[in-house]
Amino acid sequence: DQQVKQNSPSLSVQEGRISILNCDYTNSMFDYFLWYKKYPAEGPTFLISISSIKDKNEDGRFTVFLNKSAKHLSLHIVPSQPGDSAVYFCADRHALNFGKGTSLLVTP
Amino acid sequence: NAGVTQTPKFQVLKTGQSMTLQCAQDMNHEYMSWYRQDPGMGLRLIHYSVGAGITDQGEVPNGYNVSRSTTEDFPLRLLSAAPSQTSVYFCASSYSLADYNEQFFGPGTRLTVL
Repeated sequence: DQQVKQNSPSLSVQEGRISILNCDYTNSMFDYFLWYKKYPAEGPTFLISISSIKDKNEDGRFTVFLNKSAKHLSLHIVPSQPGDSAVYFCADRHALNFGKGTSLLVTP
Repeated sequence: NAGVTQTPKFQVLKTGQSMTLQCAQDMNHEYMSWYRQDPGMGLRLIHYSVGAGITDQGEVPNGYNVSRSTTEDFPLRLLSAAPSQTSVYFCASSYSLADYNEQFFGPGTRLTVL
């Protein structure tokens, strides 16, 4: 049974608008989460992380929010750019559990 | 630093053939892992290693063997390839499993089993 879930396989957003990618987890012992970005024909690359002692972490246009009571995290990209078009994966800190990914398309 | 390297980039096998996917890292990382990526399935962990001489199974280990004789190398062996093993394989490494480190991924090997 998947312990990290991304329930939206795809998302399309206009350039300049906000992209919100969601991730849910089942194990309340998970204490650190990472987001990876993957372009076609390349390996995933680390994007941003968040510890359970925080509820928000920002890095430029990327912000991750963590709601521990709901076991939910979300990645916000503001403003979205065409170069952000990629597949985004969330994972627990050991990366033993990855979500299935959300394919983001940012249209001009 | 070359980071995480994988060879080959592409491979076509016939059912029943064996092969080894190579993975190497030059960052002195303790932790290495193998994933497969299939459409709609995301990244699934096959095997991982927390250091030389230590390996363990992930979510989908059947049909695959691994060994870790050095810190740098973590090959993945398919002893008798099956069409269900057609996938893109990624090797990854990080400083350790215990700490809060991101993983660095290789570029992947696209394997087709006929």
